[in-house]
Amino acid sequence: TQLLEQSPQFLSIQEGENLTVYCNSSSVFSSLQWYRQEPGEGPVLLVTVVTGGEVKKLKRLTFQFGDARKDSSLHITAAQPGDTGLYLCAVPIGSNFGNEKLTFGTGTRLTIIP
Amino acid sequence: SAVISQKPSRDICQRGTSLTIQCQVDSQVTMMFWYRQQPGQSLTLIATANQGSEATYESGFVIDKFPISRPNLTFSTLTVSNMSPEDSSIYLCSVGQTRYGYTFGSGTRLTVV
Repeated sequence: TQLLEQSPQFLSIQEGENLTVYCNSSSVFSSLQWYRQEPGEGPVLLVTVVTGGEVKKLKRLTFQFGDARKDSSLHITAAQPGDTGLYLCAVPIGSNFGNEKLTFGTGTRLTIIP
Repeated sequence: SAVISQKPSRDICQRGTSLTIQCQVDSQVTMMFWYRQQPGQSLTLIATANQGSEATYESGFVIDKFPISRPNLTFSTLTVSNMSPEDSSIYLCSVGQTRYGYTFGSGTRLTVV
């Protein structure tokens, strides 16, 4: 059983449409990160959310951390081809405070069709 | 944030051989992390490498198969030993801290034939 389940697994939509990606767990986390990975590259950090109910915006991307800190969502407004990629949520796990290892979600592969 | 140089970027290897992947960081870091990304999948942590001590491996990964070196605070290697086609994956190194986020190398795409 995966610690972090993402949905949908695959999403293909037309340019200009809106979409939401979900990251769910039954565990409570101190923080959660979202990354985007493009082909041939490593994941790149988009945002870190820390407080339950927190909302962060990054241009057309809106990230929300659930009130109970068990889940998170990523909403993209007016999607563009440059948004295409693998979106990954991740949480720090471990007792080495500040240097925890990351556990990744199952991933959502997003394709924006021009 | 740190900049990581990872090499090789890709390789095609014969089964039964070994490949060593290198990661060089532009600043000193306490811990380095090695991940595997199987085709079409998410990232799975292989091990955590601390300078001056043996790496700590995750369940399902063993030192004989994935030996790791960490000779100083800016460099680490991961070796994939006695390779089989099932080892075909992308291997990535990473550094960082929870507070600031993690930086990843661009990955090594390994194909075993």
